[in-house]
Amino acid sequence: DAGITQSPRHKVTETGTPVTLRCHQTENHRYMYWYRQDPGHGLRLIHYSYGVKDTDKGEVSDGYSVSRSKTEDFLLTLESATSSQTSVYFCAIRKAGEGDTQYFGPGTRLTVL
Amino acid sequence: AQSVAQPEDQVNVAEGNPLTVKCTYSVSGNPYLFWYVQYPNRGLQFLLKYITGDNLVKGSYGFEAEFNKSQTSFHLKKPSALVSDSALYFCAVSAFNAGNNRKLIWGLGTSLAVNP
Repeated sequence: DAGITQSPRHKVTETGTPVTLRCHQTENHRYMYWYRQDPGHGLRLIHYSYGVKDTDKGEVSDGYSVSRSKTEDFLLTLESATSSQTSVYFCAIRKAGEGDTQYFGPGTRLTVL
Repeated sequence: AQSVAQPEDQVNVAEGNPLTVKCTYSVSGNPYLFWYVQYPNRGLQFLLKYITGDNLVKGSYGFEAEFNKSQTSFHLKKPSALVSDSALYFCAVSAFNAGNNRKLIWGLGTSLAVNP
């Protein structure tokens, strides 16, 4: 257990509405990641952060933004949700000194109608 | 392009038999290699990794994996499968990206079904 929580765990929303997902960690890790998981696509990196206010894009960042104003929280925002963003979203952290090993939160299942 | 392949979408094995879940990769340099497991409606759990040293790596729940540099493979194995091992297994490889930062490249996953 890497002390990662995600909220909400489930959300149903409508197309065009903004949605924010929260990832919270209790162990002060520097690196945090947002992934989405879809059948046939495995895990795809959306954005990641390497420190407070330091973020970068992953391979599927279009339509998503992130913010990290404090070490423990990494927020993922869907600015105007679309049905193609229906997915399971996972947050992960990387522990220093463990050679790129990532530890995952429990996930958020998002449905966009 | 750097990639990870899990050639089998699904593996079926009888309880008590040995199991193998295959992973091959194509990356430059010296990769770090990982296996994760995902149980239904759960997040991914780290099983084991190879960074350097002995090619046979032992991990959680009795799993092990063998790094084969010449075949660029990192197959996951267990001598005696349990029904509770039924889950989705992901292989991942850490390699440098264009910005000279390491990132994880993920396979698409293999669904393991262990039959009683």
